[in-house]
Amino acid sequence: EIVLTQSPDTLSLSPGERATLSCRASPSLGGSYLAWFQKRPGQSPRLLIYGTFTRATGIPDRFSASGSGTDFTLTISRLEPEDFAVYFCQEYGSSPSITFGQGTRLDIK
Amino acid sequence: QVQLVESGGDLVKPGGSLRLSCAASGVRFSDYYMSWIRQAPGKGLEWISSISHTGNTIFYADSVQGRCTISRDNAKNSLFLQMTNLRAEDSAVYYCARLYDYGAAEAFDVWGQGTVVTVSS
Repeated sequence: EIVLTQSPDTLSLSPGERATLSCRASPSLGGSYLAWFQKRPGQSPRLLIYGTFTRATGIPDRFSASGSGTDFTLTISRLEPEDFAVYFCQEYGSSPSITFGQGTRLDIK
Repeated sequence: QVQLVESGGDLVKPGGSLRLSCAASGVRFSDYYMSWIRQAPGKGLEWISSISHTGNTIFYADSVQGRCTISRDNAKNSLFLQMTNLRAEDSAVYYCARLYDYGAAEAFDVWGQGTVVTVSS
C-alpha cells in the first residue's frame, strides 16, 4: 500500500509569493498517477492536477506540478488571496485502494 | 453541467445504520466509476469505496470493509452507500465523486457538496 506524506504541514506565505508543496510516496509510485486537490473550508475538493503534471480544466497556469517515483511537487507561482487553502495529493492506479496525503495548509502570513 | 448532490447524512447513535445517496445530473451516469470519500473534522480526505460502471467491480477501504455497501442504480442516476455498525470515528462529511478517465490518467474531477454524518450517543 502506498503512503503519501506531504510537507510541510503548514506553509505561511504572503500574496504574490511562490509556494512549493511536497508530496513523498512510499514506496515509489512506479507507473501510477498523482493528482492534487485544493480544499477550502465549507467547499468540496477541487481537482487541480491529474496525471502528475496536467492542469485540470479551468485551473490557472500559476499552478504547476512535477515529479516522479517518490518525490512530487505542486508549485503556485504567485499566490492570489483565493489560493490560501488546504492542498492534498492523491495516488491512483497502484492498487484498488486510493490514497490521499494528509494535506498541507497554506496560510496567509 | 455535471452535478452531484448527496443526501442522507444524519445524527445516529453508535451501532446504528445510515444510507447515503448521491444523485447525478448533467452526465451519462452509467459511463463512470463512482466513489465515496470522506473528511472527518480536522482531518484529511479518506477514500471509502469505489464502484465500476455496471456495479460488477467494487472496492472498499479496510476501515469500512464489512460495514459499508456501495451500490448504484444507473436507471436513476444514483449512487448509494449503506453504512452499518457506525462508530464515532465514522463521523465525517461524506462526498461522492466521479472518476473521470482522461485517457492517460484518471482523477476525481467532479465532487458533490457533501453530506454530514455524526455518530454520537
